[in-house]
Amino acid sequence: EAAVTQSPRSKVAVTGGKVTLSCHQTNNHDYMYWYRQDTGHGLRLIHYSYVADSTEKGDIPDGYKASRPSQENFSLILELASLSQTAVYFCASSDWGTNSDYTFGSGTRLLVI
Amino acid sequence: TQTVSQSDAHVTVFEGDSVELRCNYSYGGSIYLSWYIQHHGHGLQFLLKYYSGNPVVQGVNGFEAEFSKSDSSFHLRKASVHWSDSAVYFCAVSAANNAGAKLTFGGGTRLTVRP
Repeated sequence: EAAVTQSPRSKVAVTGGKVTLSCHQTNNHDYMYWYRQDTGHGLRLIHYSYVADSTEKGDIPDGYKASRPSQENFSLILELASLSQTAVYFCASSDWGTNSDYTFGSGTRLLVI
Repeated sequence: TQTVSQSDAHVTVFEGDSVELRCNYSYGGSIYLSWYIQHHGHGLQFLLKYYSGNPVVQGVNGFEAEFSKSDSSFHLRKASVHWSDSAVYFCAVSAANNAGAKLTFGGGTRLTVRP
């Protein structure tokens, strides 16, 4: 079954440390996305990618980098983690085209202390 | 840019009741509209979507949504809810002229179904 798998499921990071969140999809989708969800709020787009070796900024890219080394894998990188980056992070994939629905991963709960 | 507003943060109903979760959007051009459901501790799952044609679209598990251009709305409805429908529901829009499928999400509505 097609899926989006995120790792780790949860992480505690120290302020100023580097954090890498990983995402792997088996949907053969062109597009991949990273969203963050803050408690009681909707999702906000951080970065996305429509092809390997290329990433695009979303609505809230500051403090985050992204990497798409292959069609299947998409990473989110926090070079210097900050308290404000405590959130749940969701990866998603979709096919090409604006009418394509998303397949989401189960999320990574990040706590920065 | 497109925006999405879900006016009700929380809705509580009893099992067997009907429910309507409201979604209003703001965008001047053609858009795609969709609803997603998020059960506690899980990622979002697709429910249904609309772009053109019949303004009433059917989704999984008895959900349907109706598009209204005049009201800029895409409300989600279910005639008879089950306790398992308790979840957070997100409305989302995507501008049709986007090269990709970037979705903008509303803040979500938490639906609680009491037995």
